[in-house]
Amino acid sequence: GENVEQHPSTLSVQEGDSAVIKCTYSDSASNYFPWYKQELGKGPQLIIDIRSNVGEKKDQRIAVTLNKTAKHFSLHITETQPEDSAVYFCAALTSRGGADGLTFGKGTHLIIQP
Amino acid sequence: KAGVTQTPRYLIKTRGQQVTLSCSPISGHRSVSWYQQTPGQGLQFLFEYFSETQRNKGNFPGRFSGRQFSNSRSEMNVSTLELGDSALYLCASSRTGTGGTDTQYFGPGTRLTVL
Repeated sequence: GENVEQHPSTLSVQEGDSAVIKCTYSDSASNYFPWYKQELGKGPQLIIDIRSNVGEKKDQRIAVTLNKTAKHFSLHITETQPEDSAVYFCAALTSRGGADGLTFGKGTHLIIQP
Repeated sequence: KAGVTQTPRYLIKTRGQQVTLSCSPISGHRSVSWYQQTPGQGLQFLFEYFSETQRNKGNFPGRFSGRQFSNSRSEMNVSTLELGDSALYLCASSRTGTGGTDTQYFGPGTRLTVL
């Protein structure tokens, strides 16, 4: 099955700086890569996603890049703010008829230092 | 539009008991997936239901089961609870659950503690 590795497990950056979180996946058939943000006591919230026919996607301060050849994708957050502090999860989904469950990375605890 | 709702939010059970968790998807969503989240294993896929049928299943023992009703609401049952079943159980809904073309939206989860 699919295996997703996520790094780093903890990331501390100064407010206003950029943050980058990286993930690799193992199954070349994976074709959908969402990123979720989870705050304490809440369920994961989708912040951005990318599909395998696209190399990069941006939404205001957030961007995701995908390298299918190398099987890795990254989340970039620019001009970080205190409210960006949370745990971020990458995931990959492989479609083989019907819906397959998402395979998640272990998460990155992003800490924004004031 | 209301989001995914899960009940109860917190639950305490003892070993050997069974538990049923409930999930109401976003209106119009027909696919419901369940995940288990623990500090050690992270987020792991349990199973997915669409139109009252289980379409996909993760690598969990048969003690974990689920069902979906005609209104797309779903329940998850865990029998003969073990200490290791203590976790946050998350439900996610999407329109069709078709991989690569659909987005899953998560509920707040049910925190299960097994004593």
